[in-house]
Amino acid sequence: DAGVIQSPRHEVTEMGQEVTLRCKPISGHDYLFWYRQTMMRGLELLIYFNNNVPIDDSGMPEDRFSAKMPNASFSTLKIQPSEPRDSAVYFCASSLDATGSTDTQYFGPGTRLTVL
Amino acid sequence: ILNVEQSPQSLHVQEGDSTNFTCSFPSSNFYALHWYRWETAKSPEALFVMTLNGDEKKKGRISATLNTKEGYSYLYIKGSQPEDSATYLCAPSGSARQLTFGSGTQLTVLP
Repeated sequence: DAGVIQSPRHEVTEMGQEVTLRCKPISGHDYLFWYRQTMMRGLELLIYFNNNVPIDDSGMPEDRFSAKMPNASFSTLKIQPSEPRDSAVYFCASSLDATGSTDTQYFGPGTRLTVL
Repeated sequence: ILNVEQSPQSLHVQEGDSTNFTCSFPSSNFYALHWYRWETAKSPEALFVMTLNGDEKKKGRISATLNTKEGYSYLYIKGSQPEDSATYLCAPSGSARQLTFGSGTQLTVLP
């Protein structure tokens, strides 16, 4: 298996632009997680999906952020409009079955976002 | 969201030294404790998942213990090597069944 795939790996954009980050989870995994990593806050969970349905989006910073999972093999995280404080590394992770949260989450390589 | 503390924040050791660090978490509403290893410019990689009080897990020179009653876990590295240099993250999960990551312990092993 190729593992969790994220694109793009790097994104540089200007303030006010729309940014779309993409994730392909490991085939057969029921759960998909979006995380953001910053120096100040470390690795924080933004939202997660179970069987394509958003379960908890309480970590999404504000309305400028939205996430979708139209099918089992694809998810997007969109920021519109983007701001310089959104600059961070965004990770996508997937797991087979988070029942009891004993299942390992497998992380993608991350997207490094820079908003100028 | 659980309050997770890891100590020390960073650590420098000489090659061959053994080392350990701590993860503290609320003992109430505990379900599982995950340890991840995160090398610079890579993505976090799972080391262990532990659920039961007294659990011990081992992977090569790295081992971990769990005390759910007092809310802590130790990670040990025996005979540290330069390739062990990484940030080690712990992440407990509670009834919400999502992981809350600590800020990590950044280990540097000097040759």
